Amino acid sequence: DARVTQTPRHKVTEMGQEVTMRCQPILGHNTVFWYRQTMMQGLELLAYFRNRAPLDDSGMPKDRFSAEMPDATLATLKIQPSEPRDSAVYFCASGLVRSGGYLPRDTGELFFGEGSRLTVL
Amino acid sequence: GIQVEQSPPDLILQEGANSTLRCNFSDSVNNLQWFHQNPWGQLINLFYIPSGTKQNGRLSATTVATERYSLLYISSSQTTDSGVYFCAVENFGNEKLTFGTGTRLTIIP
Repeated sequence: DARVTQTPRHKVTEMGQEVTMRCQPILGHNTVFWYRQTMMQGLELLAYFRNRAPLDDSGMPKDRFSAEMPDATLATLKIQPSEPRDSAVYFCASGLVRSGGYLPRDTGELFFGEGSRLTVL
Repeated sequence: GIQVEQSPPDLILQEGANSTLRCNFSDSVNNLQWFHQNPWGQLINLFYIPSGTKQNGRLSATTVATERYSLLYISSSQTTDSGVYFCAVENFGNEKLTFGTGTRLTIIP
């Protein structure tokens, strides 16, 4: 059963601590997205990768957030130092970009992990 | 960037009722998806539907790309249909999905 796997599912930490969230995309998918969900802002795109290369991280606070994809089976999102306003659910999603021929490229169907709920005290 | 508006924001229905959820978007799209976020927070994709009509059991969706809207129909609602329904779109050349603010559906037994 192919699915996106995220760890940890829950994390409570104190302000100033480093937080690392991990994501294993569906095997064969070439695009990975990180979203953040809060009551106030809804679902916001933080960053995304295609074939492990970062394509857009404009949604991420650059001074404290970083996203990497060290290999095709692992994407990471790191916050250092964490702040209470970072409390949210962080979702990873993966997809397979459709391209070629006369069809325009699009990210295809997106599949989400179960999310990592982060609480920063 | 592209704007995505969903209506209604909230919907409360009795079990067995039918519902129609709407998604309007401000630009041409090459990707549109409907997602259901259940009460446990899981986001499940329902339809990939940049144009046309699809059906899956009690759910169906229609996208009229030329008029920039999509509709999600739920028939014979069940309590398990409760949750938030999101529409997400991608416009040409952008290669990332933008989510609407969702419709919260509550089905009462």
